[in-house]
Amino acid sequence: AQTVTQSQPEMSVQEAETVTLSCTYDTSESNYYLFWYKQPPSRQMILVIRQEAYKQQNATENRFSVNFQKAAKSFSLKISDSQLGDTAMYFCAFMKHADNDMRFGAGTRLTVKP
Amino acid sequence: NAGVTQTPKFRVLKTGQSMTLLCAQDMNHEYMYWYRQDPGMGLRLIHYSVGEGTTAKGEVPDGYNVSRLKKQNFLLGLESAAPSQTSVYFCASGRGLLDTEAFFGQGTRLTVV
Repeated sequence: AQTVTQSQPEMSVQEAETVTLSCTYDTSESNYYLFWYKQPPSRQMILVIRQEAYKQQNATENRFSVNFQKAAKSFSLKISDSQLGDTAMYFCAFMKHADNDMRFGAGTRLTVKP
Repeated sequence: NAGVTQTPKFRVLKTGQSMTLLCAQDMNHEYMYWYRQDPGMGLRLIHYSVGEGTTAKGEVPDGYNVSRLKKQNFLLGLESAAPSQTSVYFCASGRGLLDTEAFFGQGTRLTVV
């Protein structure tokens, strides 16, 4: 079974600074997908970024980027120029190729301070 | 474009009561999912559907039933609610194998007393 571990229950960062959220996963699969989702107080789950395991290049979406280390089974999220609106729970998720079960980590609560 | 809509947003049930949560999507997605979210545990898959008329069990299916009679709707039923089913429930939809992105509803907070 695949497991996803987020070792930082809570983090905080000053506005405009950079923060990195950690995620590790355990799998024997070679082909899979990784995601970061944001859940603001509204409870809506919003896709931040995704990475296909077969792609060596790290995914980037504006201020959000990932550091994907396949051999180490690590998938960290870097948020640059943090904004107050980035305050939310962040979930790392894993899904095998050709599967329908997306496995989530327990989440990291990020607070951006003014 | 409404995306994924869950009804109701909040509900309080007494132990033993039954209820149905409704999920509706207007994106013509084949795949739909029901998750529950509990503190410190992230989201866990309850049931999912890969198309109209099909359903399958996820990681934590016990105590729940689902139906997908129409492509746009995915219903989650609790026949006899238990306090352990107190949780926030999320519905999601996606294009499945062609597209790995899932679109989530806003969640339903269910309390069983």
